Amino acid sequence: NAGVMQNPRHLVRRRGQEARLRCSPMKGHSHVYWYRQLPEEGLKFMVYLQKENIIDESGMPKERFSAEFPKEGPSILRIQQVVRGDSAAYFCASSPPPGSLAKNIQYFGAGTRLSVL
Amino acid sequence: QKEVEQNSGPLSVPEGAIASLNCTYSDRVSQSFFWYRQYSGKSPELIMSIYSNGDKEDGRFTAQLNKASQYVSLLIRDSQPSDSATYLCAVNVRADSWGKLQFGAGTQVVVTP
Repeated sequence: NAGVMQNPRHLVRRRGQEARLRCSPMKGHSHVYWYRQLPEEGLKFMVYLQKENIIDESGMPKERFSAEFPKEGPSILRIQQVVRGDSAAYFCASSPPPGSLAKNIQYFGAGTRLSVL
Repeated sequence: QKEVEQNSGPLSVPEGAIASLNCTYSDRVSQSFFWYRQYSGKSPELIMSIYSNGDKEDGRFTAQLNKASQYVSLLIRDSQPSDSATYLCAVNVRADSWGKLQFGAGTQVVVTP
């Protein structure tokens, strides 16, 4: 039973390029969350999605960042025109859908470490 | 005021002793509380969840929740060097317990042999 899968594990981009981070939730989970962890800082919520729907994007920067979770395939966090301040670890978590017997426990993937040169 | 607050540490604990970690939160409607462990360079790993006032024990870990005082704590008994990590307190602020987690900055625990 695979856990939350994120790829790539490490991503290097030059300033101005685009970064695409992928996340496949655990089997049976339909809800995905993205968090960012800046060096020496805590985890900050970015966005919460279910298939084909953004539920909460209150933590997303207003510009350059977008997220999707299509009907087929992984969730994608996209960062356009990256800047050095985007260098961070980006973690994806998944949980069962609301109303399921399981509690809202979020399980984290291994993360993508983005380095912007 | 931060929504979830933890002492940053480091908390130095002799091997075999009890490590006590505290966390306070500001939103009274919060219903779900979690402790995650994060080793350096790794992802957060869930170690405890607690939803009701009182104590919850799981192996060497005990979580304590007091909603009236808005704090949640974690005790690690018989601390081992492998417990050396940063412990993150996380709170779900929605009354229906779904949605985003708010994390504290984490408490670094160092268990010394």
